[in-house]
Amino acid sequence: GAVVSQHPSWVICKSGTSVKIECRSLDFQATTMFWYRQFPKQSLMLMATSNEGSKATYEQGVEKDKFLINHASLTLSTLTVTSAHPEDSSFYICSARPGGLETYSPLHFGNGTRLTVT
Amino acid sequence: GNSVTQMEGPVTLSEEAFLTINCTYTATGYPSLFWYVQYPGEGLQLLLKATKADDKGSNKGFEATYRKETTSFHLEKGSVQVSDSAVYFCALYNTNAGKSTFGDGTTLTVKP
Repeated sequence: GAVVSQHPSWVICKSGTSVKIECRSLDFQATTMFWYRQFPKQSLMLMATSNEGSKATYEQGVEKDKFLINHASLTLSTLTVTSAHPEDSSFYICSARPGGLETYSPLHFGNGTRLTVT
Repeated sequence: GNSVTQMEGPVTLSEEAFLTINCTYTATGYPSLFWYVQYPGEGLQLLLKATKADDKGSNKGFEATYRKETTSFHLEKGSVQVSDSAVYFCALYNTNAGKSTFGDGTTLTVKP
């Protein structure tokens, strides 16, 4: 159980276009989802916390107008990279925690989206 | 604030060797501790967890013990396999932060 599905797994787009990435919790409800960006040397950077029915909470240094997050239902959060540029090329990963704020509940991750901007 | 420091990699071992990946943390209160594993081209998945001091998490031959006195959660495996080659992340979750804190990851390569 506790599956998180992320789509697409990879996408190539031209500079200046926008790309939407979906993150779905398949068998549980997730009031909170998290979006990460993974850099080539593997470190994970938390970009934002997506809250169902309200605005996302962005980490310091993350442009909220560039990385639009929508969490319209308890099972779906989307990340839209607007006006993408080559420097936005990266591996984006979403995650969610079943059971809400219980501290022993681990995160479940999507399989990531490889974005390449040409 | 919360932070996690894990052993820098990459780590290269021969099959059946003993593995230790060190992880130490800084946190207020009583965080839960996790090890996640990432195989090439995939997202992360939970390897094991511990929710309180002296708890031992274990899975697939891997073990880690929550040591509050040394604020550590070192990952160990007695005999690694080629299939264990992956990136390993140590992490903590604290309700006061409402989000997880990850170490930088350690790449393990196991050679036959």
